[in-house]
Amino acid sequence: DQQVKQNSPSLSVQEGRISILNCDYTNSMFDYFLWYKKYPAEGPTFLISISSIKDKNEDGRFTVFLNKSAKHLSLHIVPSQPGDSAVYFCAASAEGGSEKLVFGKGTKLTVNP
Amino acid sequence: DVKVTQSSRYLVKRTGEKVFLECVQDMDHENMFWYRQDPGLGLRLIYFSYDVKMKEKGDIPEGYSVSREKKERFSLILESASTNQTSMYLCASSSPPGGSYTDTQYFGPGTRLTVL
Repeated sequence: DQQVKQNSPSLSVQEGRISILNCDYTNSMFDYFLWYKKYPAEGPTFLISISSIKDKNEDGRFTVFLNKSAKHLSLHIVPSQPGDSAVYFCAASAEGGSEKLVFGKGTKLTVNP
Repeated sequence: DVKVTQSSRYLVKRTGEKVFLECVQDMDHENMFWYRQDPGLGLRLIYFSYDVKMKEKGDIPEGYSVSREKKERFSLILESASTNQTSMYLCASSSPPGGSYTDTQYFGPGTRLTVL
């Protein structure tokens, strides 16, 4: 049973436009959410996180939105750059931290010049 | 700067061999994790450890074991490698939650294991 779902395996966007990556979860106990970015042949790197007490968190070009009632979060990248091309993983935790993360299957983002 | 290192980037082994994957972190983190990443399946947790000599099974522990003799080192062992264990193996570490919701797991570069 998949508790964290990224329903789009891939997304293609033009440089300069907005990229929106979506993530849905089923476990109402999740209270901390993270996005990771992964380039081929490298380990995932942390991008941005949000706790359930917030509905938005921004860091430069990256914004994560959380809709608790819909059990949905999204990552917005504005403006998108070719260097953003990577696989993005959504992760969730029910323990207020990163001790036990449940990952989605990932969305491959391609930003075309 | 945070650093998680893994002993090999690429490894080729034969079916039935015993395989050791080593992971070392220099951040004095209590928690360490082993995942495997497969196309279309995302990251799946194999084992994790909250402290030295402690280990807990993740979602897919079958065919694997782990060892944590020192805080900075967490080893993944494939007792008898099989072709379905061909995968990218990722090690990660983290601190216990500090209540500020800023925690994250830090990942190593991964080991691409091929079992022939």
